[in-house]
Amino acid sequence: EVQLVESGGGLVNSGGSLRLSCAASGFTFNTYSMSWVRQAAGKGLEWVSSITGSSTYIYYAESVKGRFTISRDNAKSSLYLQMNSLRAEDTAVYYCARDFRGGSSGPILYWGQGALVTVSS
Amino acid sequence: DIQMTQSPSTLSASVGDRVTITCRASQSISSWLAWYQQQPGKAPNLLIYKVSGLESGVPSRFSGSGSGTEFTLTISSLQPDDFATYYCQQYNSYPWTFGQGTKVEIK
Repeated sequence: EVQLVESGGGLVNSGGSLRLSCAASGFTFNTYSMSWVRQAAGKGLEWVSSITGSSTYIYYAESVKGRFTISRDNAKSSLYLQMNSLRAEDTAVYYCARDFRGGSSGPILYWGQGALVTVSS
Repeated sequence: DIQMTQSPSTLSASVGDRVTITCRASQSISSWLAWYQQQPGKAPNLLIYKVSGLESGVPSRFSGSGSGTEFTLTISSLQPDDFATYYCQQYNSYPWTFGQGTKVEIK
């Protein structure tokens, strides 16, 4: 059974930093692209960042480029999102997500339960 | 960036109704379109991939169609579990973009 478990969410002051982690299990982690998708309260889904299986290709939404860094540790089957210079508008539930099939780029088949990040201004 | 526009934003319907949600892309995305269902407080759930591919375990009352820039999600006979918010997503190119969502409410 595929499981994605996020951790590291919490309350942080504007301008601060936070690191989200996602522990993956139930599949061959290094063969799948992984992503972070966020959702502010009462709002829609916003794609944040994606990383290919071997970390060769990394993509960011313009809204987080230069502030957030996605990375992965295939030996630990873990995905990370380092978030710096946080702003109030970054407040959201952050979902760790796995691609539909290995070697592909989208869509998202598996989602974590979400980690709440609250940025206090 | 490719913009995805869903309509309507809210839809009121009854159990047994046929429901159609439309998603328009600002440029061609070929067939790289997915639909998700999200229940309140839960993560989204993939329903349809590549315009019309039904994800395993998804009831056959859900179907997708379209090409290029215009796509539809149809629920042939609305069931109680289907009252939720639906999102389209293009994965033709980065940045991936989602529609703003369509909330299907009980009439």
